[in-house]
Amino acid sequence: DAVMTQSPVSLPVTLGQPASISCRSSQSLVHSNGNTYLNWFQQRPGQSPRRLIYEISKRDSGVPDRFSGSGSGTDFTLKISRVEAEDVGVYYCMQGSHWPLTFGGGTKVEIK
Amino acid sequence: EVQLVESGGTLAQPGGSLRLSCAASGFTFSAYDMHWVRQATGKGLEWVSGIGTAGDTYYPGSVKGRFTISRENAKNSLYLQMNSLKAEDTAVYYCARGVGATSLDQWGQGTLVTVSS
Repeated sequence: DAVMTQSPVSLPVTLGQPASISCRSSQSLVHSNGNTYLNWFQQRPGQSPRRLIYEISKRDSGVPDRFSGSGSGTDFTLKISRVEAEDVGVYYCMQGSHWPLTFGGGTKVEIK
Repeated sequence: EVQLVESGGTLAQPGGSLRLSCAASGFTFSAYDMHWVRQATGKGLEWVSGIGTAGDTYYPGSVKGRFTISRENAKNSLYLQMNSLKAEDTAVYYCARGVGATSLDQWGQGTLVTVSS
């Protein structure tokens, strides 16, 4: 199984400042078709997960452009350019390149 | 608007069985893969099953042989039959729409399963 490791586990951020979350896979996420299926989800307190980013860097409709994804192979990053109060929550990476689908352990973003 | 509404979560005995349902609306259900993902209280997300448009099914090792995913396209419904329940199956179970096997683009609100004597 592809083990997904996120860091940090907790990320206190000042409003308006940038934030960066790392996600590393135990194996390459390049699919046999050449695509890389790395997703990012946001889970606000008390809510269901919501997909923000798919295929490393493609933003979902309605996702603010302060969220961006990057990376390749086994190393990926989610960046928030300027954190806002509504960004508080837990962020998860998930790989869809290999069965079984696997998630990272999550990164909790909170305001300092 | 896409809607996924889970139901069937309740208190169950260890070793018992439970069937979860997910009612889908707002999209052509038969054209999408569907999945179940669970989350224990205060913990992370764990994928527990997936079903393709042709009825092909997929499970992780932790539930294989105990859980069965199925779908009824005529009723726009997804199911999860859970047998031989264990305390560690206690979690909120989410129904999610798949983008093939590569992503999960819509999620329901979840239904709580508690396994305890």
